[in-house]
Order: sequence, then structure tokens, then C-alpha cells
Amino acid sequence: EDQVTQSPEALRLQEGESSSLNCSYTVSGLRGLFWYRQDPGKGPEFLFTLYSAGEEKEKERLKATLTKKESFLHITAPKPEDSATYLCAVQALLGGNNRLAFGKGNQVVVIP
Amino acid sequence: NAGVTQTPKFQVLKTGQSMTLQCAQDMNHNSMYWYRQDPGMGLRLIYYSASEGTTDKGEVPNGYNVSRLNKREFSLRLESAAPSQTSVYFCASTITGVTGELFFGEGSRLTVL
Repeated sequence: EDQVTQSPEALRLQEGESSSLNCSYTVSGLRGLFWYRQDPGKGPEFLFTLYSAGEEKEKERLKATLTKKESFLHITAPKPEDSATYLCAVQALLGGNNRLAFGKGNQVVVIP
Repeated sequence: NAGVTQTPKFQVLKTGQSMTLQCAQDMNHNSMYWYRQDPGMGLRLIYYSASEGTTDKGEVPNGYNVSRLNKREFSLRLESAAPSQTSVYFCASTITGVTGELFFGEGSRLTVL
């Protein structure tokens, strides 16, 4: 069974204080790893797709990286508007159509 | 563009009542999904529809039924609601089932008393 574990569950950062979120996964052959952002009371919003170890993607203050066992979402010099829950999901090469396994999320609060 | 639209946004039911959650997307996507999100748990797939005319069970299908009405619309029905179905429900869509780049609606918050 595909499993995704995210840590830390919750993180409070001062504005400008860079940090990283971790997503550890076990999957029988990785098709893709996905990062989403979810604001309170809203649906998740897609951020990045990573396909193979060593791959990196960037968007504004966010940078996602991938190894064979985990992914990191680095937040550089965060601003209060980066406060959200970040969700990680994996998709296996084999198995049902587009079955994503989601982690429980990293809740990030950036304090001005 | 509206993207993925869910109705209703909030609903309170009594145990045993039935209701249908509606979802429509205007992005010409082929695949649509229903997830539930509970505190302390990740998003869990209830049912999905890879393409118009097909539906399949996800991780937690018990107590639910779905209908892919046409390419745009995918509804989720609770025939006899139970307190364990209190949750936030999200509809999502994507161009094809191969990708995990899903577009989500804003959610429907359901409380079963």
C-alpha cells in the first residue's frame, strides 16, 4: 500500500525565516509526486509535479526537490501570504487510474 | 472561468436522510473525482470517473453512489446518511487520468446529526 508521511505536522515561522517541509513516501514504482497548497476553507491548489530523483521545481519562494524516498518543499524568506497547509501526494506506476495517496499535510503559519 | 463548481457549500442532515452533492467542471476534463477530507487524515478517494460513462470505486466507497451525468458533471449521493459521513467533500477533475495534477472545487461541508 502506498504511504505518504509529512513532517512536521505544524510549523510557525517568522517572516523571512526559511525552512523546509518533508514528505516521505513508499510506493511500488513512482509515477509522480505532487505538491498542493490548501488555504483554510478552500480546495487544494496544485503547485508542482516531480517525476524522478534529482528533479527540482521552483515557484516564487517555493522550491520542491525529490529523492528516491522523500521530497522537500523549501520555503525561502517566507511571507505571511505563504501561510497555508501544504499537501504531498504520490501516484504509483501500477494500479488504478490516477489513484493518488495524500499525506496529512504540513500546516505552515508565517508570522509578520 | 469557474473551474470546478460544487453545490451545496454547506449542508446539515439527520441520520438516515439522503442527499446529492453536485459537481460541474468547465475545463473539458475527462476524469473527475470525489474525495473526503477529515481532521487528522489525508484526502481519501471515494469514487472516480476516468471518462464519461465510467465510474470506479476508490478507497472509501461504502455508503456512497455516484453518477457521471455527462462530461461536465459528476454527482455524489448519500442514500442514508450516517454521522461517520460528516466531512468536507471535494470534487476534482483533470484532463486525463494519467496525471496527478488535479483541479479541486472549494468543497462541500456536510454535517450528519
